[in-house]
Amino acid sequence: EGQLAESGGGLVQPGGSLRLSCAASGFTFSSYAMSWVRQAPGKGLEWVSAISGSGGTTYYADSVKGRITISRDNSKNAVFLHMNSLSAEDTAVYYCAKDHGRFGDVPLDAFDIWGQGTMVTVSS
Amino acid sequence: SYELTQPPSVSVSPGETASITCSGHILGDTFAYWYQHKPGQSPILIIFQDTQRPSGIPERFSGSNPGNTATLTISGTQPMDEADYYCQAWDATSVVFGGGTRLTVL
Repeated sequence: EGQLAESGGGLVQPGGSLRLSCAASGFTFSSYAMSWVRQAPGKGLEWVSAISGSGGTTYYADSVKGRITISRDNSKNAVFLHMNSLSAEDTAVYYCAKDHGRFGDVPLDAFDIWGQGTMVTVSS
Repeated sequence: SYELTQPPSVSVSPGETASITCSGHILGDTFAYWYQHKPGQSPILIIFQDTQRPSGIPERFSGSNPGNTATLTISGTQPMDEADYYCQAWDATSVVFGGGTRLTVL
């Protein structure tokens, strides 16, 4: 079935940086695109970024472009989210999610497996 | 960027049918996906490719997308179906989520 487990969240000061990790298991990791989705307190789901199975294609939401970088290490079955210049608006639970994969390893499908999420709080 | 519009809330009595709409021009050109999200839990995919249910999702969940407005229908709604529901679509190189609909089973 597959599982995802996020880590790396915590409290960070405005302007600071953080790296989130997502460990995958139970599926052929390199065959699937991965995304990060966040939910701010009291708000809805917001997609952040996606990366293809090979890592060669990345997409970003306009709200994070230039401040956030997605990457993956297929040898370790892990995907990462590198966040810089954080502000209070980035406070959220961050989920990693697996692409359903019906269109190959490019990000283009539903998110069929989600992690439990990791909380990021940006505050002084 | 495109937007997907959902009603903020829908109420239904147990055993009745609940319908949640998702409107957006992009839905005329791409698939709609639906997720169920309960507090403290991870979202669950309940409908993909407009009408398909993943394995393990009860048959009472169904979807349609005739173009521009997708609908999630829950037949014979149960108290356990009380949750937030989100529609989602791909806009070429980005993902759009609807604002979410809180389903209350009274």
